[in-house]
Amino acid sequence: SQQGEEDPQALSIQEGENATMNCSYKTSINNLQWYRQNSGRGLVHLILIRSNEREKHSGRLRVTLDTSKKSSSLLITASRAADTASYFCATNSNYQLIWGAGTKLIIKP
Amino acid sequence: DGGITQSPKYLFRKEGQNVTLSCEQNLNHDAMYWYRQDPGQGLRLIYYSQIVNDFQKGDIAEGYSVSREKKESFPLTVTSAQKNPTAFYLCASSIAGGSASETQYFGPGTRLLVL
Repeated sequence: SQQGEEDPQALSIQEGENATMNCSYKTSINNLQWYRQNSGRGLVHLILIRSNEREKHSGRLRVTLDTSKKSSSLLITASRAADTASYFCATNSNYQLIWGAGTKLIIKP
Repeated sequence: DGGITQSPKYLFRKEGQNVTLSCEQNLNHDAMYWYRQDPGQGLRLIYYSQIVNDFQKGDIAEGYSVSREKKESFPLTVTSAQKNPTAFYLCASSIAGGSASETQYFGPGTRLLVL
C-alpha cells in the first residue's frame, strides 16, 4: 500500500537553482525519510525527520514536516548536475516503510 | 568494507522456471527486506524478516518465497507462480525492524527479465 505521494512527478531545473519536492501521507507516522535513487541503482538514505521535529538540515538539503497537514518538503539548494535522480519519501509506521512513487529531478547544465 | 550485495545484476527467467536472487549483508543488521520496483513506481514490499528464522509477508508476497537461515543472508525465490516477474528487485537491511525501524540500507538491485 502506498502512503506517500510525491509532487511533482517530474521536475527539470537549471544547475544552480533550488529544487523543492513535496510529499503527502495519510496516517500517523513515527518518522519520515527521504531517499535518492540514481537511474538503475539502489536507494541512498538522505535524511530522517521525526514526527516531533519540524525542520532538519543536512548540507544543501532542508526538510520540513507538517504533521497537521500530513506533508513534508525536501529542498535542495544550489543544485548540481549530480543531483539528477529520483527522490522518494517513505513514512515509518510500525514494522515497515511505506513508499511514494517518487519525484524525478533533472538538473540541466 | 560494510554493505549489502545483491547478485546477479541481471537475471533472465524462462517460462515455468524458479529463480533465486541473492542478498548478503555484513552490517550486522537484524532486519532485512525485499522490494519490487516497476518502472516509474515506488517500492512495494514483498517480504521482510526482523530476525533469523523468521519472516513475514509484505504487500505483494504471492509468487515469491524467502528464507532467513543466517543473519547475513536473505535470498528471494521468484517462483513460476509469479506471472509478471519482470521488475527491478531491491534488498535492504536495517538495524532492527518493528517500531524501532529507522534508516534502511539498500543493495544495488537485480533486474529480472523474462525470456
